[in-house]
Amino acid sequence: AQTVTQSQPEMSVQEAETVTLSCTYDTSENNYYLFWYKQPPSRQMILVIRQEAYKQQNATENRFSVNFQKAAKSFSLKISDSQLGDTAMYFCAFMKESNYQLIWGAGTKLIIKP
Amino acid sequence: DVKVTQSSRYLVKRTGEKVFLECVQDMDHENMFWYRQDPGLGLRLIYFSYDVKMKEKGDIPEGYSVSREKKERFSLILESASTNQTSMYLCASGVGLELAYEQYFGPGTRLTVT
Repeated sequence: AQTVTQSQPEMSVQEAETVTLSCTYDTSENNYYLFWYKQPPSRQMILVIRQEAYKQQNATENRFSVNFQKAAKSFSLKISDSQLGDTAMYFCAFMKESNYQLIWGAGTKLIIKP
Repeated sequence: DVKVTQSSRYLVKRTGEKVFLECVQDMDHENMFWYRQDPGLGLRLIYFSYDVKMKEKGDIPEGYSVSREKKERFSLILESASTNQTSMYLCASGVGLELAYEQYFGPGTRLTVT
């Protein structure tokens, strides 16, 4: 069975700093998808970034980028130039190809301090 | 924009009551999901549906049932609510490869069973 581990329950950084959230997963699959979702306080969960396992190039979306290490089964999220609006719970999630079902990590609470 | 709505933001029910949680999406998505979110556990899949009248059990289906009579609506039913079902319930909808399996979430229903 697949598992997803987020080892940092809570992190806090100063505004404008760079922060990296860690995620590791366990699977025997070769083709799969990885996701980072963000849940701001009292607001809806939204997708931050996704990575297809067959792509070697790390995904980037503006200030958000990932470090995908397939052999190490690691999928960290880097947030550059952090902003107050980045304060949220961040969840890492795994999906087997064509399965549609997500396996979720426990989440990391990120606080951006002014 | 995709919109997923849930019938209630907050709900308080008594032990033994039958509880209905409703979810509606407006994007004609085939797939719909019900999750339970608890601190330190992330999101856990209760049920999902990939078509009208179709349903599949997720990781924690015990004590729950679902109904999908129309494509846009997916209901979660607690047949006899218990205190251990006090939680945040999230509904999501999504499609497949064409949208890289992204899921769109509702605002959540915080259910308290007393």
